[in-house]
Amino acid sequence: EAGVTQSPTHLIKTRGQQATLRCSPISGHTSVYWYQQALGLGLQFLLWYDEGEERNRGNFPPRFSGRQFPNYSSELNVNALELEDSALYLCASKLAGVETQYFGPGTRLLVL
Amino acid sequence: GQQLNQSPQSMFIQEGEDVSMNCTSSSIFNTWLWYKQEPGEGPVLLIALYKAGELTSNGRLTAQFGITRKDSFLNISASIPSDVGIYFCAGPGTNFGNEKLTFGTGTRLTIIP
Repeated sequence: EAGVTQSPTHLIKTRGQQATLRCSPISGHTSVYWYQQALGLGLQFLLWYDEGEERNRGNFPPRFSGRQFPNYSSELNVNALELEDSALYLCASKLAGVETQYFGPGTRLLVL
Repeated sequence: GQQLNQSPQSMFIQEGEDVSMNCTSSSIFNTWLWYKQEPGEGPVLLIALYKAGELTSNGRLTAQFGITRKDSFLNISASIPSDVGIYFCAGPGTNFGNEKLTFGTGTRLTIIP
């Protein structure tokens, strides 16, 4: 069974541009979570999507947004990129009713 | 908000040694999860704990869910080079249900040749 997949693996942008990151959950998983991990730091919760709806968001500005599609895949959009947005962005998925989350390999975003 | 304090922050050990790390919370957790992350990769789930007092093993790894529900421990026996990485504890807490995980600050394990 395929795990969580993310694309692209690496993304280089310049300040002010917009970035779009994609995630495909494990088959059967309906919840998708996005986390930001800045270099050398822990994981910070960004967004949670379940059944196509945004259920919760972390302490991040509105520049960070996303959506979940009918097939449960998800997209994270970061507008007006800033240098400090450079980080590893991790997507995780889980089954309904179970708390264990499974992570993808991440997208490394570099803002120049 | 919920906070997870993980210790030690880093460990330098020799191959073959046992490793112990722990995680404490300012509030009660219903589930404790332990992940390992290698450079440039996403965290990989090692052990999940669902019940206070539970002791669970996965090969050379053993984790325990503290009876107060505010702490958890991870032990690695007879460490090998591939154990190198950052170990994170995580938990969803009790206030919300199927929501975000709060992660500990991580324990970086280095094996000295």
